[in-house]
Formats: sequence, C-alpha cells, structure tokens
Amino acid sequence: AQTVTQSQPEMSVQEAETVTLSCTYDTSESDYYLFWYKQPPSRQMILVIRQEAYKQQNATENRFSVNFQKAAKSFSLKISDSQLGDAAMYFCAYRSVEEYGNKLVFGAGTILRVKS
Amino acid sequence: KAGVTQTPRYLIKTRGQQVTLSCSPISGHRSVSWYQQTPGQGLQFLFEYFSETQRNKGNFPGRFSGRQFSNSRSEMNVSTLELGDSALYLCASSPAQGRLNTEAFFGQGTRLTVV
Repeated sequence: AQTVTQSQPEMSVQEAETVTLSCTYDTSESDYYLFWYKQPPSRQMILVIRQEAYKQQNATENRFSVNFQKAAKSFSLKISDSQLGDAAMYFCAYRSVEEYGNKLVFGAGTILRVKS
Repeated sequence: KAGVTQTPRYLIKTRGQQVTLSCSPISGHRSVSWYQQTPGQGLQFLFEYFSETQRNKGNFPGRFSGRQFSNSRSEMNVSTLELGDSALYLCASSPAQGRLNTEAFFGQGTRLTVV
C-alpha cells in the first residue's frame, strides 16, 4: 500500500518570502500522479499543482513549483512571494495510475501561516 | 459550470442513529469519491463510485455504505452512528479514471457531529 508523509505539522513564512513544504511517499509503482492540495478555513480542497511521475520536468503554476525527486520519492512544494491568501492547510496526495480508480492517498497535512 | 455540491453542510445526530449525506458531482463527471477527515486520522478514503458501480473501497466498517444514481449523484450512509464518526465528509468528483483523470474536484464537505 502507498503511504504519504508530511513531516512538517506547521510552517510559518513572512509575506513576500519563499517557503518550501516537504512530502515523501512510498510506493512500488512506477506510474502515478502526485498532487498538492490547499484547504483554507472554508474547508474547500483546492488543487494547487499536479505532477505526473513519468514526466522529468518539475511542474510549475505561477508562484507554486515542485521539486520532484522520483528516485528519492520526494515531492516538495515551493511557494514564492508568499501572500496572506496562501495561509491554509496543505496536503500532499498520491494517486496510482496502475490501479483502477481515482483513490487519493493523503499525507497528514502542513499548516502554513503567513505573517504580514 | 457548477462545482461539486454537498448537502447538508452541517448535521448533528445522536449516537445510534443513521445519516445520509448527498453529493452532486460536476456535470458530466461520472466518478465520485468519498473521504472522511478527522483531526486524529486525517483524510481517509471511504469509497469510489463510477457509473453506478463501486470501484474501490477503503478500510471502513460495513456501517459505511454508499451508492450512485444514474445521474451520477451519490449518497453516503452511515448506520448506527458512533461518537468517532464525527468528522468532515468530503466528496470529490472526477470526469474519468486512470491516466485520463488528472484532477479531483472537491465539495465543501458535510460536517457531521455525533452526540
């Protein structure tokens, strides 16, 4: 079974600065998706960024980028120019492509606080 | 396009009762997944339905069940409620399965409190 580990329960960042959230995962599969989801106090889970395991290139979405190290099974999220609206719980998630279905396996989450 | 709609948003039930939660996926999406979110256990997968068939099931007791209708709307039922069932229940819809599916869209959840 796949597992996802987020070792940072909580992180803080000053507005306009850069922060990196860590995520490691364990799988024996070679084909999968990795995601970062954001959950603000409204509880709505919002997709931040997605990475396909067979793609070498790290995904980027505006101020959000990932460092995907497949051999190390590491998938960190970098948020540049942090904004107050980035404050939320961030979840790293894994989805198998080899298995049938859309089941997501989530990490425990990291609370991100942004200071003004 | 309307997003994923979960009803009700809040529920308070008494131990031993049963409850039904509803999820209307994004129009055209055929896959609906359910997750339980608690402070202690985090986000855990309950089950997934695709075209009215349960495709995948998490490690939850038989008190947790679900179904999907021909219009892709899904319901989740919990019978004989226990205090530990208090949680945020999230529903996610996806247009497809496997490699073709690149994203799950979540609803705002139903907050269930069992007293």
